[in-house]
Amino acid sequence: DGGITQSPKYLFRKEGQNVTLSCEQNLNHDAMYWYRQDPGQGLRLIYYSQIVNDFQKGDIAEGYSVSREKKESFPLTVTSAQKNPTAFYLCASSIHRLEGYTFGSGTRLTVV
Amino acid sequence: DQQVKQNSPSLSVQEGRISILNCDYTNSMFDYFLWYKKYPAEGPTFLISISSIKDKNEDGRFTVFLNKSAKHLSLHIVPSQPGDSAVYFCAASASGGTSYGKLTFGQGTILTVHP
Repeated sequence: DGGITQSPKYLFRKEGQNVTLSCEQNLNHDAMYWYRQDPGQGLRLIYYSQIVNDFQKGDIAEGYSVSREKKESFPLTVTSAQKNPTAFYLCASSIHRLEGYTFGSGTRLTVV
Repeated sequence: DQQVKQNSPSLSVQEGRISILNCDYTNSMFDYFLWYKKYPAEGPTFLISISSIKDKNEDGRFTVFLNKSAKHLSLHIVPSQPGDSAVYFCAASASGGTSYGKLTFGQGTILTVHP
């Protein structure tokens, strides 16, 4: 069964720590995306990658980093430089813009 | 600058009636529009889309209307059902560049359908 898997579903981070959110897809999609959801602000694009070993900053990339070493994987690292990291993080992939995105089930990150 | 706006944070509708969710955009380069439905603690799921060459697209109870001159689109759900209660996001993409096209999302509208 093809899809996108995000892990963990819930993640707690202490102030000053880096954490990495996992995103894996077996849809053979070239493009992958990371969005952040905050109440009242919809989904905001953090980073995206259209091909292996290449990625671009989205609208709110500060304090985040990504890698795309494999087609199937697009992990997101939330660094200590991200001032307000508590949010719901969504990973998505696409094969063509007319097909839209397939989303993962999300990771809820809470800073404690 | 919010290029895609959903100005109604919430909408409450009686079961069986019509739900109309609205979305406005400012970027004239957008030529493909989508609606996603999202339940709490889950990822959004694709609902319906429309290309700018059309002004209407229908799929069962869901119809999306596009008014290019007004840069406005709407999603109609008829008849509304309690299971439709969720957050609805509209999204837009522009052609040009690669074929993948990153999506720009609105803020979402919480739809509540009362039995």
